[in-house]
Amino acid sequence: AIQMTQSPSSLSASVGDRVTITCRASQGIRNDLGWYQQKPGKAPKLLIYATSSLQSGVPSRFSGSGSGTDFTLTITSLQPEDFATYYCLQDYIYPRTFGPGTKVEIK
Amino acid sequence: QVQLQESGPGLVKPSETVSLTCTVSGYSISSGYYWGWIRQPPGKGLEWIGSMFHSGSTSYNPSLQSRVTISVDTSKNQFSLRLRSVTATDTAVYYCAREAGGSGSLDFWGQGTLVTVSS
Repeated sequence: AIQMTQSPSSLSASVGDRVTITCRASQGIRNDLGWYQQKPGKAPKLLIYATSSLQSGVPSRFSGSGSGTDFTLTITSLQPEDFATYYCLQDYIYPRTFGPGTKVEIK
Repeated sequence: QVQLQESGPGLVKPSETVSLTCTVSGYSISSGYYWGWIRQPPGKGLEWIGSMFHSGSTSYNPSLQSRVTISVDTSKNQFSLRLRSVTATDTAVYYCAREAGGSGSLDFWGQGTLVTVSS
């Protein structure tokens, strides 16, 4: 199975900061990667699909980039509602595999 | 708007089988898409369990494959998860979700249901 890693595992940031989270796949997955936001006690929410496509209704301050094995989620101008845990998911091949998550906390 | 809702027992004894059902509204399962299950142990990350196409073809996480069955009941617009021989390590919130056509991303999720394995 493809292994997914994320860095950092957690970060502290302030409202208005630019935040970057990286995800790496153990083998090439083309651009078949999505990013999910999860708040405590809630189901994950799809933010980005196919590496860089913004899911309907998601604010444009979220963006994604990358290809092959290295991917990035960027949040420009962090907002209070963005404090959450973020997961990447490869949907290139079964079994699907998630990254371990990155917790974004308030500084 | 597509909505998914999990249902099932909240407490299961070790070695028993847990059965969960996901009821879909706002979309007919028989029209297409893959439908899947994901779980999250308390305080931990997400684990993909498996998914199935509306026609019945399935894919499972190899770590669970020997104990898992996903099935569909198109007449009720539901799909189900059966996990056999459960242990405490199967304690988790179980989510059902739809895999979007084309990208494979999980675009609609249920709210999740906590399953606790304990005697």
